[in-house]
Amino acid sequence: DTGVSQDPRHKITKRGQNVTFRCDPISEHNRLYWYRQTLGQGPEFLTYFQNEAQLEKSRLLSDRFSAERPKGSFSTLEIQRTEQGDSAMYLCASTENSGTANTEAFFGQGTRLTVV
Amino acid sequence: GESVGLHLPTLSVQEGDNSIINCAYSNSASDYFIWYKQESGKGPQFIIDIRSNMDKRQGQRVTVLLNKTVKHLSLQIAATQPGDSAVYFCAESYTGRRALTFGSGTRLQVQP
Repeated sequence: DTGVSQDPRHKITKRGQNVTFRCDPISEHNRLYWYRQTLGQGPEFLTYFQNEAQLEKSRLLSDRFSAERPKGSFSTLEIQRTEQGDSAMYLCASTENSGTANTEAFFGQGTRLTVV
Repeated sequence: GESVGLHLPTLSVQEGDNSIINCAYSNSASDYFIWYKQESGKGPQFIIDIRSNMDKRQGQRVTVLLNKTVKHLSLQIAATQPGDSAVYFCAESYTGRRALTFGSGTRLQVQP
């Protein structure tokens, strides 16, 4: 396992369509995060899982967004009824189980979404 | 609200020089800080992190300095190389919160 893997790398979709992205974290990491990044900005937190439990969701995560991690391994992020404002890079990251202390998050290469 | 920001959007240095990238944060509860490097079209790559019980930490060619009094963080890159050209982000978090809050980034351009 060489790192966090995301699929697809690029997605172009028409406005109103649904899209789903997949993230495979580093295998021994139990925490998984989704971030969104627009051009020229830093990543913005969307949501976080510890194992299969979704423990935190940002206000950025509208009702059209849903994330799952059913078996505590890979995760999916679905966007329903996409809008042009959803165009961004969607990044997944994972961290090891470190108790209460924060540790470095390792990021995948991202999925670039373009809504036309 | 909490925020993490950077002083300079673009930094241009000569190859071989040392680079210093600065970052300010506003949340006094922040106790974990991290620097990432991001090349075009790629995800952020971990460089170095530091906790609030330290004021300096060194890695390979990189040093992070933390000044909690003025809420300032810096990344020093020694003997900057063309491969160091990228956007650098600082980010912070605090005990009890897992998510990172990122700044908007500084672009480092290394001139040969």
